[in-house]
Amino acid sequence: DTAVSQTPKYLVTQMGNDKSIKCEQNLGHDTMYWYKQDSKKFLKIMFSYNNKELIINETVPNRFSPKSPDKAHLNLHINSLELGDSAVYFCASSQGQGAFHYGYTFGSGTRLTVV
Amino acid sequence: QQQVKQSPQSLIVQKGGISIINCAYENTAFDYFPWYQQFPGKGPALLIAIRPDVSEKKEGRFTISFNKSAKQFSLHIMDSQPGDSATYFCAARPNSGYSTLTFGKGTMLLVSP
Repeated sequence: DTAVSQTPKYLVTQMGNDKSIKCEQNLGHDTMYWYKQDSKKFLKIMFSYNNKELIINETVPNRFSPKSPDKAHLNLHINSLELGDSAVYFCASSQGQGAFHYGYTFGSGTRLTVV
Repeated sequence: QQQVKQSPQSLIVQKGGISIINCAYENTAFDYFPWYQQFPGKGPALLIAIRPDVSEKKEGRFTISFNKSAKQFSLHIMDSQPGDSATYFCAARPNSGYSTLTFGKGTMLLVSP
């Protein structure tokens, strides 16, 4: 199936732990994103990568570190997890920039619960 | 600062009725306006999108109306069905380099049978 796939789908962990979320897209897109969706369903951009290069980093604590080993993968590592990090994290991808930008394809999300 | 304001927060419509969700923006550099549909436990999925050179775009039962001078756009769902019950997000993106989509806060639509 062509898609954006994220693992794991659910992640429950204790405060202070370090965890990673993986994302892969097989759509051939050149840009990938991480969005955070809070309990009120607000979607907020965290990071954007284009061809493995970080291009947008939106005021995210440096406990969050994205890594893109190639343009089909974008992983998110979170250090020293805090209660406020509990949310659903979505990976997305798109092709093109500027006037030639097309819609995003989102993964199905990773629900992170910090206890 | 919220760049895309969406209303209402929630909406209940009877089956067969018209659902209308509105969005307003301030940034005149925005030039791409998509709507996304999200079902529980799933990621948002692109529903329909418009660019400001047209005032309306229709795809099946879904229509975007766009008013450039008022900086507003809306989603109309005709003949709403229970299967349309979901959260809808409007979004906008400027035509400049590596910018990203800015989303509205979402509207939870419930279509009653």
